[in-house]
Amino acid sequence: EVQLLESGGGLVQPGGSLRLSCAASAFTFNTYAMTWVRQAPGKGLEWVSVISGDGGSTSYADSVKGRFTISRDNPKNTLYLQMNSLRAEDTAVYYCAKGGLASFVDWGRGTLVTVSS
Amino acid sequence: EIVLTQSPGTLSLSPGARATLSCRASQSVTNDYLAWYQQKPGQAPRLLIYGTSSRATGIPDSFSGSGSGTDFTLTISRLEPEDFAVYYCQQYGSSPITFGQGTRLEIK
Repeated sequence: EVQLLESGGGLVQPGGSLRLSCAASAFTFNTYAMTWVRQAPGKGLEWVSVISGDGGSTSYADSVKGRFTISRDNPKNTLYLQMNSLRAEDTAVYYCAKGGLASFVDWGRGTLVTVSS
Repeated sequence: EIVLTQSPGTLSLSPGARATLSCRASQSVTNDYLAWYQQKPGQAPRLLIYGTSSRATGIPDSFSGSGSGTDFTLTISRLEPEDFAVYYCQQYGSSPITFGQGTRLEIK
């Protein structure tokens, strides 16, 4: 059974940084693109970023471009999201999902990021 | 980017009723790559339908999807108590992936 486990969320001040991780298991990690999706409290789902299986191609939502960096460590089966210059509007549950330009069967449970002073 | 508009925002129905949820795209969805998700409080979204009308593994046949181009529908033929949740559509035919704003299905 595919497992995705996010970690690294927490409370951070505006302008601060945080790195999220997503540990994957039970599938051949390096053959799948991976995606980050977020959900602000009480709001809908927002696509954030995607990375190809080999890490050579990335894409970002306009709302995070230039501030967030997606990366992966294939030998460690781990996906990352480095978040810099955080804003209050980045407050959300961040989910990792298996796949790229696709529908998502497999999601993690999410990790909450709160940006507040 | 393709904007998805779901309607209604909230749907109030009784168990046993039929639910019809709509998702309209601002432009044609490539290859009708349209998915539907169910989300309950505190949980990750659950894939119900992909490719407009294909049910994901383990999804009961009370859930069905239809449509093409810019207009898509999720139908729940007979509502069970566990079906009351928020439903999102998603297009994955073109980048960036986009989601609708959601329809809340509540017990009447």
